Amino acid sequence: EVQLVQSGAEVKKPGESLKISCQGSGYSFTIYWIGWVRQMPGKGLEWMGIIYPGDSDTRYSPSFQGQVTISADKSISTAYLQWNSLKASDTAMYYCARLIRGDSSGYLDYWGQGTLVTVSS
Amino acid sequence: EIVLTQSPATLSLSPGERATLSCRASQSVSSYLAWYQQKAGQAPRLLIYDASKRATAIPARFSGSGSGTDFTLTISSLEPEDFAVYYCQQRSNWYTFGQGTKLEIK
Repeated sequence: EVQLVQSGAEVKKPGESLKISCQGSGYSFTIYWIGWVRQMPGKGLEWMGIIYPGDSDTRYSPSFQGQVTISADKSISTAYLQWNSLKASDTAMYYCARLIRGDSSGYLDYWGQGTLVTVSS
Repeated sequence: EIVLTQSPATLSLSPGERATLSCRASQSVSSYLAWYQQKAGQAPRLLIYDASKRATAIPARFSGSGSGTDFTLTISSLEPEDFAVYYCQQRSNWYTFGQGTKLEIK
């Protein structure tokens, strides 16, 4: 069974750093792109970026370039999303998801449960 | 950036009725469009990809159509569990989502 399990909810202060995780199981982690999606409270979905765990090729949406860092450790089938200096506006639910492989690559077929990040002084 | 505009913002229908949701792209995305369903407190679920292909285990009452800039998600006969928020997403030029349509019980 394909699963993506994300790390637990976080409460942080502005200016703090944070790294959240997404561990895949039940499939070959290294050959599927992983995407990160933000959902701010009461709002829609926003595509942040993607990573290919096999070689850590990473691409970002323009809005998120320079704001976050996406990484992966293929030895433990885990992808990460990190911030160096959080802002209140980073408060959101963050989802990781697997991209379909092959001719229909670019859609998200399996999703993690989400990690709620709250940034407040 | 390709902008996807969904309409209506909210759709109020009763169980058993037919639902028609629209997604319009700011430029052609060919058939590279997907639909997702998100229920309250849950992660999104892929329903339709490449405009008309049903994802694994998605009931036949869900269907997608369209190409170019205009797309439709149709739910032929609404079940109580179908009331949720629906998003479209394109993969033609990077990736973007629409703003969502909330399907609520009338």
